[in-house]
Amino acid sequence: KNEVEQSPQNLTAQEGEFITINCSYSVGISALHWLQQHPGGGIVSLFMLSSGKKKHGRLIATINIQEKHSSLHITASHPRDSAVYICAVNAQGAQKLVFGQGTRLTINP
Amino acid sequence: EAGVAQSPRYKIIEKRQSVAFWCNPISGHATLYWYQQILGQGPKLLIQFQNNGVVDDSQLPKDRFSAERLKGVDSTLKIQPAKLEDSAVYLCASSRLRGYDTGELFFGEGSRLTVL
Repeated sequence: KNEVEQSPQNLTAQEGEFITINCSYSVGISALHWLQQHPGGGIVSLFMLSSGKKKHGRLIATINIQEKHSSLHITASHPRDSAVYICAVNAQGAQKLVFGQGTRLTINP
Repeated sequence: EAGVAQSPRYKIIEKRQSVAFWCNPISGHATLYWYQQILGQGPKLLIQFQNNGVVDDSQLPKDRFSAERLKGVDSTLKIQPAKLEDSAVYLCASSRLRGYDTGELFFGEGSRLTVL
């Protein structure tokens, strides 16, 4: 079992829908990252959080440390949101990130 | 501020040939990472530098891969000789923080390697 599990692996939705991507992890962490990767493109950091909730534009990230779970929400989704969303965690005491497999999101117009 | 620069963006070689990738991190970022991302998978850490010292190279196939970060700034990753399974995108990332928190990571566009 991977230390970081994302669900769903693939998600297709219509423009305007509310999107939720989940991330569960099995290790103690000091921080969790949500990253976005467009096809053929590099990776962009969306959020880094260790507790509570963060919001940036239409994106919201939440984390529940006790349940070892985080969610990324997209409101009013748009075709340009189509990308792979990756969850990664900083394991406590470790200097490296552990990555999830990614969630491929497709938003149809 | 300028982002993480990588080159080349694309490289096609035949197996057993060698290849080198270059990365220039964001100015002032102490930590530099090289990741390998095979199609359909998440990134896998190959090597992590803090300044010019190696923090973690446990997943670097040292029989064929090498990396250096002279002077603690830019870095090169070399593969010699390449195998078919090395076909992947090689991502470079940097972060400001030292210690046990990576801080926010900034990624380059990646170098896509195809080994024929």
